[in-house]
Amino acid sequence: EVQLLESGGGLVQPGGSLRLSCAASGFTFSSYGMSWVRQAPGKGLEWVSTISGSGDNTFYADSVKGRFTISGDNSKNTLYLQMNSLSAEDTAVYYCAKSQQLFYAFDIWGQGTMVTVSS
Amino acid sequence: DIQMTQSPSTLSASVGDRVTMTCRASQSISSWLAWYQQKPGKAPKLLIYKASSLESGVPSRFSGSGSGTEFTLTISSLQPGDFATYYCQQYNSGWTFGQGTKVEIK
Repeated sequence: EVQLLESGGGLVQPGGSLRLSCAASGFTFSSYGMSWVRQAPGKGLEWVSTISGSGDNTFYADSVKGRFTISGDNSKNTLYLQMNSLSAEDTAVYYCAKSQQLFYAFDIWGQGTMVTVSS
Repeated sequence: DIQMTQSPSTLSASVGDRVTMTCRASQSISSWLAWYQQKPGKAPKLLIYKASSLESGVPSRFSGSGSGTEFTLTISSLQPGDFATYYCQQYNSGWTFGQGTKVEIK
């Protein structure tokens, strides 16, 4: 069964850092585009970042560019999101998602992990 | 950047109703549009990709149409499990979601 499982969320102070993980199973991780999408409490979906299967290409929303870094470990079938200089505006549920091709729809989603930025 | 605008924001309907919602792109995105369904506390679920292609396992009462800048999602006969929020997403240039249409019980 194709599955994504996020972890690493929690409470962090403004200005702090956090690393999210997304463990993939049931498919060859390196063959697909992988993304992070977030949803602030009571709000809509916001695309955050995408990485190609090879890891050679990365893309970021303007709101996180320079602060967040997406990466993948093909040997562990795991996607990461390193988040630095966090602010209250980054408080959200963070979902990882898989797409059939790099520039494509997201066909499989994880259950999400909550990140709360607060003092 | 491409902006996506959904209408209406909220739609009140009854079981059995035919429901249509719209998504407009700020510039042409060809057919590179997806629709997702999200229920409270759950992850989004892909319904439609490439504007009109039904994702495997999705009931045939869901259909999508459109190209260029205007798209629609139609539910032919609303079922109890269809009360949810629906999002469109363009993937022609990067990825952008619309703000969502909530389908609520009338």
